[in-house]
Amino acid sequence: AQTVTQSQPEMSVQEAETVTLSCTYDTSESDYYLFWYKQPPSRQMILVIRQEAYKQQNATENRFSVNFQKAAKSFSLKISDSQLGDAAMYFCAKGGSQGNLIFGKGTKLSVKP
Amino acid sequence: GAGVSQSPSNKVTEKGKDVELRCDPISGHTALYWYRQSLGQGLEFLIYFQGNSAPDKSGLPSDRFSAERTGGSVSTLTIQRTQQEDSAVYLCASSIPLAGGQVNEQFFGPGTRLTVL
Repeated sequence: AQTVTQSQPEMSVQEAETVTLSCTYDTSESDYYLFWYKQPPSRQMILVIRQEAYKQQNATENRFSVNFQKAAKSFSLKISDSQLGDAAMYFCAKGGSQGNLIFGKGTKLSVKP
Repeated sequence: GAGVSQSPSNKVTEKGKDVELRCDPISGHTALYWYRQSLGQGLEFLIYFQGNSAPDKSGLPSDRFSAERTGGSVSTLTIQRTQQEDSAVYLCASSIPLAGGQVNEQFFGPGTRLTVL
């Protein structure tokens, strides 16, 4: 079975600093998509960034970027210039063979002013 | 609205009662998903509808759970004879699948928080 692992249940960062959230996954596929979702207290899941496995270039979206290491099956999220509004649960997810997303258990990010 | 909507936002029920949760996907999205999020956990896949194909029910935890999608749009998740362990947030998502079956970005609704007393 495919799994997604987030080894950091909680992380904390000072406002304006940089933080990296870790994610590893298990798969035998060569072509797939990876995602980071943000879930604030409102419960609304919001897509942060998406990476296509066949692309070697790391995806970036403004202050958010990933470090995708395909051979190591690692997909970390870097948040630069952290803002108070970045405080939320962050979930790493991989496209599953059934058409669904397979999620990690999440990392709770706190941002200190 | 342009997003995925779910109703009710919150539902409190007594053990043994049946409940229905509703999801309105984004117009034009052929794929619809139901997930369950228990306290402090990630999202657990429940069921997947794609167009007019038979749904993938492999994630449903028991035969008390069922779902249907009428006219390729609105979906209803039904839980019969609710148990306390069914208490969770139920999230619905929709998407446009990519060519080749790759999983595309999913757009989520705000969820229904179910509490079984």
